[in-house]
Amino acid sequence: SQTIHQWPATLVQPVGSPLSLECTVEGTSNPNLYWYRQAAGRGLQLLFYSVGIGQISSEVPQNLSASRPQDRQFILSSKKLLLSDSGFYLCACFGQGGYEQYFGPGTRLTVT
Amino acid sequence: AQSVSQHNHHVILSEAASLELGCNYSYGGTVNLFWYVQYPGQHLQLLLKYFSGDPLVKGIKGFEAEFIKSKFSFNLRKPSVQWSDTAEYFCAVTSIFGNEKLTFGTGTRLTIIP
Repeated sequence: SQTIHQWPATLVQPVGSPLSLECTVEGTSNPNLYWYRQAAGRGLQLLFYSVGIGQISSEVPQNLSASRPQDRQFILSSKKLLLSDSGFYLCACFGQGGYEQYFGPGTRLTVT
Repeated sequence: AQSVSQHNHHVILSEAASLELGCNYSYGGTVNLFWYVQYPGQHLQLLLKYFSGDPLVKGIKGFEAEFIKSKFSFNLRKPSVQWSDTAEYFCAVTSIFGNEKLTFGTGTRLTIIP
């Protein structure tokens, strides 16, 4: 079965600083990959998804961007963080059988 | 576009009480439905799922959910909750074509009092 790694686990960054969160997947090939943000009282909001290397779809306009340089690597970035970027960021992929998503442990980002 | 509503934001129950968490979705086509659970400090994990067939699906830890197509609902139930069920529960939907993005509800925080 697939395993999703995310790092760092927690991050505190000042407003205006850059961001790079990494997600890697083991145990599957050519997965669909997803970035979600979980904010208090708002559930999980899909930010980006990718069906292949270099293929990124954005769900909401925002200060963030995503890239997929390798088949099992998905990166979430920002050039200049805003306070509103604080939240819990989850990476996910679809299981080998399809339809259900598996989630990584998440990164807690606090922008100060 | 599809959407998911979870009307119970925070539910507090005593141990051994019965649980039902509501989930309604909005989507014009055929869907796959999921309940995910996030225990404190742990990964989001799949509790149960419905793809087709018997509308009453059973998941892990004694949970079950019933898909009622006419009501666009997929409510989560457990006859007798335990303190260890304290967690946040998310309902989610995706179209049947697979590999589509999940749409989540806002979640229900469940607190079980010993």
